[in-house]
Amino acid sequence: EDQVTQSPEALRLQEGESSSLNCSYTVSGLRGLFWYRQDPGKGPEFLFTLYSAGEEKEKERLKATLTKKESFLHITAPKPEDSATYLCAVQGSGANSKLTFGKGITLSVRP
Amino acid sequence: ETGVTQTPRHLVMGMTNKKSLKCEQHLGHNAMYWYKQSAKKPLELMFVYSLEERVENNSVPSRFSPECPNSSHLFLHLHTLQPEDSALYLCASSQEKPQGGSPLHFGNGTRLTVT
Repeated sequence: EDQVTQSPEALRLQEGESSSLNCSYTVSGLRGLFWYRQDPGKGPEFLFTLYSAGEEKEKERLKATLTKKESFLHITAPKPEDSATYLCAVQGSGANSKLTFGKGITLSVRP
Repeated sequence: ETGVTQTPRHLVMGMTNKKSLKCEQHLGHNAMYWYKQSAKKPLELMFVYSLEERVENNSVPSRFSPECPNSSHLFLHLHTLQPEDSALYLCASSQEKPQGGSPLHFGNGTRLTVT
C-alpha cells in the first residue's frame, strides 16, 4: 500500500527565514509526486509535479526536489502570504493505482 | 467562469434531510472526483468518474450517492447523514483518466455540517 508522511506537522517561520518541508513516501513504481497549496476555506491549488529522482522545479520562492524516498519543498525568504497548508501526494504506476495524500504541513510566516 | 466551481459553499443539514452538492468544471477535463477532507486526516477519495463512467467507489456508505450526467457536471446526493459526515467535500477534475498522472484541479469545496 502506498504511503505518504509529511513533516513537520506545523512550522512557524519568521519572514525571510528559509526552511524546508519534507514528504517521505513509499510507492510501488512512481508515476508522479505532486505538491499542492491550500489556503483556509479554499480547495488545494496545484503547485508542482515531479516524475523522477533528481528532478527539481521552481516557482517564485518555492523549489521542489525529489529523491527515490522523499521530496522537499524548499521555501526561500518566505513572506506572510506564503502561509498555508502544503499537501504532498503520490501516484503509483500500477494499473489501478490511486493518488495517496499526506496529512499536510501548516506553514505560518510571521512578519 | 473558469476552473472548478462548487455549490453551495456551506450547508447545514439535519440527519433526516436530503440535499445535493453540485460541481461544475470549465476546463474540458475527462475525469471528475469527490474527496472528503476532515481535520488532521489526509484527503479521502470517495468517487471517481472517467468519461461519465464511475470507475471508483471507495467503500463509501450508501447515504452518499454520486451522479455524473455529463463530463462537466458532478453531483453528490446526501441523505440520512450522520454527525461524523461533517467535513469539507471537495470536487476535482483532471485532464487524463485517474491513473494518467495529470494533476488534479480542485474546487473550493462545500463545508457540510450535520446536526
